[in-house]
Amino acid sequence: QKEVEQDPGPLSVPEGAIVSLNCTYSNSAFQYFMWYRQYSRKGPELLMYTYSSGNKEDGRFTAQVDKSSKYISLFIRDSQPSDSATYLCALLGFQKLVFGTGTRLLVSP
Amino acid sequence: DGGITQSPKYLFRKEGQNVTLSCEQNLNHDAMYWYRQDPGQGLRLIYYSQIVNDFQKGDIAEGYSVSREKKESFPLTVTSAQKNPTAFYLCASSQQGMETQYFGPGTRLLVL
Repeated sequence: QKEVEQDPGPLSVPEGAIVSLNCTYSNSAFQYFMWYRQYSRKGPELLMYTYSSGNKEDGRFTAQVDKSSKYISLFIRDSQPSDSATYLCALLGFQKLVFGTGTRLLVSP
Repeated sequence: DGGITQSPKYLFRKEGQNVTLSCEQNLNHDAMYWYRQDPGQGLRLIYYSQIVNDFQKGDIAEGYSVSREKKESFPLTVTSAQKNPTAFYLCASSQQGMETQYFGPGTRLLVL
């Protein structure tokens, strides 16, 4: 069993839709939860990171962590074609950092 | 204009050859990292360095070597011992900790 599971997609949505991207994990030692956006053939870009359970909002993006269920989510409101990219979750605990495989998102105009 | 630069963008390696990937940062970050990205797999840590003249192996260090002689530079050498080097290599740096890493644009290594 992988430490972090992430659906590879692709996830196709129309412009303006609310997008939900998710990761599940098995190791309760993870304490920091990050989301990265990666455009094709580019390096990942840090979008958000959270430490505790609950929600953290930044513009159109909301990161949600449920430690009891070992489930993290990234919500994108009013999605735009420029949001089309691969989204990677990353989890950190005790100096061990594990990345998900990424979910490819396609937002059509 | 602060950031991380990686060169070259594309690199071709012949059998038995060692090649070196460059990574430079002007963010004044203490820590630097090298990752490998393969299709269908998450980023995997090769080496990391938290301070000049010191570095540690990551999860997949075999066949790779690094040096950290200057704070702003962390070159990665892919040696001939690495039998499957074709991948997208990413360099990252951070100041506060592993949770806030900033990535470079990457180098794609291909085998001739």
